Amino acid sequence: ETGVTQSPTHLIKTRGQQVTLRCSSQSGHNTVSWYQQALGQGPQFIFQYYREEENGRGNFPPRFSGLQFPNYSSELNVNALELDDSALYLCASTVFGAGRSNEQFFGPGTRLTVL
Amino acid sequence: GESVGLHLPTLSVQEGDNSIINCAYSNSASDYFIWYKQESGKGPQFIIDIRSNMDKRQGQRVTVLLNKTVKHLSLQIAATQPGDSAVYFCAETPLGRRALTFGSGTRLQVQP
Repeated sequence: ETGVTQSPTHLIKTRGQQVTLRCSSQSGHNTVSWYQQALGQGPQFIFQYYREEENGRGNFPPRFSGLQFPNYSSELNVNALELDDSALYLCASTVFGAGRSNEQFFGPGTRLTVL
Repeated sequence: GESVGLHLPTLSVQEGDNSIINCAYSNSASDYFIWYKQESGKGPQFIIDIRSNMDKRQGQRVTVLLNKTVKHLSLQIAATQPGDSAVYFCAETPLGRRALTFGSGTRLQVQP
């Protein structure tokens, strides 16, 4: 069974640029969530994708957007990068459905640095 | 907004001792609680979970206790080992939701 994978591992961008982060969900999982984890803090929910549609969103501006593909993999796009966007971006996958556990499996994250 | 928080930012224990990490939550609609372990440079790793219809759940060397009356969650680690050193997060989610709300974390340091 393949776990959650993310790419790239590290990324450095400058303020105002755009970035795309990628996530492959764990085998058999149909739901992907994205979290932002600032240094020294707990992860903050950005949004979740199920059946290729956004299925819940946290308190993040519209310049944070995402996609989910038919194979359940996902992308997180951030436009007009700001210095405060520097963080570890985590992807988590789970199986959404009646009677299913809420357990989410996290990937290793992508460390984004905005200069 | 409602959030999950932790009482102690850092916990230092001796190898072999038992560790207890505490967490307070404020969302009374929370139905599902999870403890995660995060090592440096890695994503959170699932440790144990508990639903609101339970008070206690045991795993291998770990026990989670839930007190809904005072909205308190704890993680007990028996015979703490150096490999247990990490940051531990509690997280919660209300029934029907999938977004996890995390606390700020407790760093567990195990002294040999």
